[in-house]
Amino acid sequence: ETVLTQSPAILAVSPGDSATLSCTASQSINDNLAWYQQKPGQAPRLLVYGASTGHTGTPARFSGSGFGTEFTLTITSLQSDDFAVYYCQQYNFWPRTFGQGTRLEI
Amino acid sequence: VQMLQSTVEVKPPGASVKVSCQASGYKFRDYGISWVRQAPGQGLEWMGWIYSDTQYTRFAQMFEGRVTMTADTSTNTAHLELRNLKSDDTATYYCARVVTGKDEPLDNWGQGTLVIVSS
Repeated sequence: ETVLTQSPAILAVSPGDSATLSCTASQSINDNLAWYQQKPGQAPRLLVYGASTGHTGTPARFSGSGFGTEFTLTITSLQSDDFAVYYCQQYNFWPRTFGQGTRLEI
Repeated sequence: VQMLQSTVEVKPPGASVKVSCQASGYKFRDYGISWVRQAPGQGLEWMGWIYSDTQYTRFAQMFEGRVTMTADTSTNTAHLELRNLKSDDTATYYCARVVTGKDEPLDNWGQGTLVIVSS
């Protein structure tokens, strides 16, 4: 199965800063990657799909990039509402797989 | 779009659980449903997928033989059945709508069903 490795596991930043989250696939998945945000006690929420396309309602400060095996989610001008856990997920191969998550902390 | 799930299930080890997911606000047949689980304090684990129109399924290998996924197009409800429950099946189980086409992200999620496996 395709393993997704997210780094770092925990990222501590300040409001107003930018954050860069990485996701590396064990084999090429083209651009078939999505990013999700999960806050405590809530279901995950889709942010980005197709590696770089923002889902409806995703603020413009969230941007995704990458192709093949290396992917990045960048969040600029961090707001208090952005502190959460972020997961990448590939849908190029069966079984679909998730990364282990990056926790964004203040 | 809404995905409404049953809330809590408590089952003893060795039993089966059936979790429901009532979809509304879209044409049920045109999308798939994925099931994803999350053990307490852990990450997301993809379990499987069903295409609502054809009932075609794909599962993660670790669940093969122990899981059944169905999609009732008359009631727009998807079901997940997990058999021979073990204590490490204790988790929140989410259903999510899966877009069909070039991109297949999970774009709408249920609120989750907490399944507790305990004697």
